[in-house]
Amino acid sequence: DAKTTQPTSMDCAEGRAANLPCNHSTISGNEYVYWYRQIHSQGPQYIIHGLKNNETNEMASLIITEDRKSSTLILPHATLRDTAVYYCIVRVKGSWGKLQFGAGTQVVVTP
Amino acid sequence: GAVVSQHPSRVICKSGTSVKIECRSLDFQATTMFWYRQFPKKSLMLMATSNEGSKATYEQGVEKDKFLINHASLTLSTLTVTSAHPEDSSFYICSATPGLGVGVGDTQYFGPGTRLTVL
Repeated sequence: DAKTTQPTSMDCAEGRAANLPCNHSTISGNEYVYWYRQIHSQGPQYIIHGLKNNETNEMASLIITEDRKSSTLILPHATLRDTAVYYCIVRVKGSWGKLQFGAGTQVVVTP
Repeated sequence: GAVVSQHPSRVICKSGTSVKIECRSLDFQATTMFWYRQFPKKSLMLMATSNEGSKATYEQGVEKDKFLINHASLTLSTLTVTSAHPEDSSFYICSATPGLGVGVGDTQYFGPGTRLTVL
């Protein structure tokens, strides 16, 4: 299973863009990159996912490098409600959709 | 869309009793559901994969006789913690996916979690 590496924590200012990096150097060609976030004492919330093209939705943008060894989640205008643990996950290959969660990045948005 | 609910949200029980947690997909049919547990300040750990109409697949180290999983319909899976002990106190979270995800970028949607405290 491809593993991911994320910074332990990040601070960002309200209203500014938050750029969350993730390394997944052992990712396989048919594995997707998923991003979830978990606000304290809640279940994880799906944000976005991608295979090799950049993706954008109403919550965030996902930029995947051409070699697919790393990616960046961009929250364009961070708000206080974006304070959460953000998980970058590479889909377990050959499974029935299992997600293996790492430690994630604790993002704190400050006024 | 893609809403998953759990019931109860919080439960306190005495040691030795059994507790049932329900996970429902409200606006889609879930052929596959997953159960996770999370200890304080730790990440989610997958416990088992539940497929409608068949036996659950448990992760290594998870006692299947301790954590009974039933996925009787396409919208409901239940986790029963049998003979609960204080070490079973944790945050239990389920997720559901609309279809079999072999090699496909389908998405898991998570419930809000159930906080279990065993006294």
